[in-house]
Amino acid sequence: EAGVAQSPRYKIIEKRQSVAFWCNPISGHATLYWYQQILGQGPKLLIQFQNNGVVDDSQLPKDRFSAERLKGVDSTLKIQPAKLEDSAVYLCASSLDRAARGDIQYFGAGTRLSVL
Amino acid sequence: AQKITQTQPGMFVQEKEAVTLDCTYDTSDPSYGLFWYKQPSSGEMIFLIYQGSYDQQNATEGRYSLNFQKARKSANLVISASQLGDSAMYFCAMREIGSARQLTFGSGTQLTVLP
Repeated sequence: EAGVAQSPRYKIIEKRQSVAFWCNPISGHATLYWYQQILGQGPKLLIQFQNNGVVDDSQLPKDRFSAERLKGVDSTLKIQPAKLEDSAVYLCASSLDRAARGDIQYFGAGTRLSVL
Repeated sequence: AQKITQTQPGMFVQEKEAVTLDCTYDTSDPSYGLFWYKQPSSGEMIFLIYQGSYDQQNATEGRYSLNFQKARKSANLVISASQLGDSAMYFCAMREIGSARQLTFGSGTQLTVLP
């Protein structure tokens, strides 16, 4: 079974530029998550989708970050314009059923973003 | 308030020995899940083990076991017979079923296995 796919693996941009990350979840997983992991910290949830609807985006900086999940499968996360403090690893995860008590989130390899 | 606390920034263990990584949590939700993930230098978060708050027995998965002490709100990960490939960052995480059901992670413990 294929895991969560993310691209690109690495991205270097200058501040005020825009960037987009792509995620393809495990087949059949209804819930998709985007996390931000700053160096030396645990991941922090940015946004959570159930199929193609947003469940929780309370920690997403909406003035510069946006995300969509078209057709309830692939998802893209965009930053526009980027700031220096956006330098981090962006992790995508998916799970089968967020309502299930033992629901497990499976992660992709992440995209490492450096903003110069 | 910090919900997940991992007090060991770094740990060393000799190959083939057992090691315990500490995790304490804070919640008022009676229904929650506790998770451990491994993050090698490659960056991917790898799921290791899960413990539900209503589970009577401690979870085990191969060389991994979770020492769950509900009254103390601790969920320590025990790795038996450490291998060089176990060197990685380890994160404890919690998911409260009553709230938005998001995973909240601790700050992690860097484990180094010595030959």
